[in-house]
Amino acid sequence: DAGVTQSPTHLIKTRGQHVTLRCSPISGHKSVSWYQQVLGQGPQFIFQYYEKEERGRGNFPDRFSARQFPNYSSELNVNALLLGDSALYLCASRPVVTGASTDTQYFGPGTRLTVL
Amino acid sequence: KNEVEQSPQNLTAQEGEFITINCSYSVGISALHWLQQHPGGGIVSLFMLSSGKKKHGRLIATINIQEKHSSLHITASHPRDSAVYICAANSGGSNYKLTFGKGTLLTVNP
Repeated sequence: DAGVTQSPTHLIKTRGQHVTLRCSPISGHKSVSWYQQVLGQGPQFIFQYYEKEERGRGNFPDRFSARQFPNYSSELNVNALLLGDSALYLCASRPVVTGASTDTQYFGPGTRLTVL
Repeated sequence: KNEVEQSPQNLTAQEGEFITINCSYSVGISALHWLQQHPGGGIVSLFMLSSGKKKHGRLIATINIQEKHSSLHITASHPRDSAVYICAANSGGSNYKLTFGKGTLLTVNP
């Protein structure tokens, strides 16, 4: 089975531009979460989506938005890019079989965004 | 102060040594995760703990809920264990919000 996939793998943008990052969860996984990892730091939680609804949001500005599609894939959108948005963006999926909080998350390889 | 603290930040060991990485958290959690991240970014989930101890091969993870502390041990370390090890606390209940530590960079020399 394929793992979590993300596209693109690398991306270079300039300040003020908009970017869309994509994530396909493992087949059967209904929950997708997005994380930002700045170089040298641990990941920071951005969003969690489950059954196409936002279920959690981290401390990120409104320039960050996301959505989940009927096939459970997800997009992360960032508007008006700043230099500080340069980071590795990680997507993770989990099955939510039991609806509990003890499912394992499976991470994708990430999209490395560079803002010039 | 971060809600999840790891120590040490950097760790260098010789092949074969026993390694311990520590994680302390200040929030109530439903589960604690240990993750491995290799250069290039890919993250692999090693363990998810809500109590006690888990073992997988040469890796052992323990958690003490009362003391809000977890440890990751690597026995008979090998250069291929070199990576960043990250602990993450799920404090969001069913909303599954992970709060990550900054990671421990482990280098195992042959």
